[in-house]
Amino acid sequence: EAEVAQSPRYKITEKSQAVAFWCDPISGHATLYWYRQILGQGPELLVQFQDESVVDDSQLPKDRFSAERLKGVDSTLKIQPAELGDSAMYLCASSLTGQGLAFFGQGTRLTVV
Amino acid sequence: AQSVSQHNHHVILSEAASLELGCNYSYGGTVNLFWYVQYPGQHLQLLLKYFSGDPLVKGIKGFEAEFIKSKFSFNLRKPSVQWSDTAEYFCAVSTNQAGTALIFGKGTTLSVSS
Repeated sequence: EAEVAQSPRYKITEKSQAVAFWCDPISGHATLYWYRQILGQGPELLVQFQDESVVDDSQLPKDRFSAERLKGVDSTLKIQPAELGDSAMYLCASSLTGQGLAFFGQGTRLTVV
Repeated sequence: AQSVSQHNHHVILSEAASLELGCNYSYGGTVNLFWYVQYPGQHLQLLLKYFSGDPLVKGIKGFEAEFIKSKFSFNLRKPSVQWSDTAEYFCAVSTNQAGTALIFGKGTTLSVSS
C-alpha cells in the first residue's frame, strides 16, 4: 500500500537553531499538506501545495517557517529559528483530488529545548 | 471561518458497550465530512467519509456515521466497541471545492477496557 513518507521521525533541537522536515507524498498526488498537531489538539493546516504552487499558507508563521515543493513532488518544511512553542508533531499529507480526502504520514515529532 | 467541534474530549467504555461520538461543524455550504482515527503509535488513518448521497455511511471496523444536514452534525457510532478500538478519533470537514484542506476538531480519546 502506498504511503506518505516523512523524515526524520523524531527531532530534538535547541531553540534558535534551524530544523527541516522532509515529506514524500504518494506517487501521483498533486496536493500536499503540512499540518502541525500540538498535544491534545487536532491537526492545524500550515501550508497546502498544488503541484509546486502554494495554495494556502495563511496559517504559516512566515517570519520563521518556510516550505517548498520545487518539483511538485517531495517537500521540505523549515523552521529558523526554532522556538520552544514549536514543539509539536508535524504531519504531511497528500491527496489525489485536493477535495479533503488526504493520506497522512507518520509525522515528525519535534522537541525544542 | 469554518470550525469543527467534538463534544467529548475523553470517553471511557467497557468492551461491548455502544459508542457515539459527537461532531458538529460550522459552514453553510456543501461540505465533505470525514472521521480519522489514530491508534497508539500509528499515523492518522481514514475511518470513513461522506461526500454525497446516503447520509448514513459505513466505514472500516464496523464504524458508521450519519450526516444530519439540518443539525450540521456528523456523529460517529459503533454498536459494540472492542479493546482494539482504543484510539484518538478526529472529525474533519472540507468544503466542496478543489484545493480546500481538512479542518479538524480537537479529537476524542476513546479508552476501552476489557
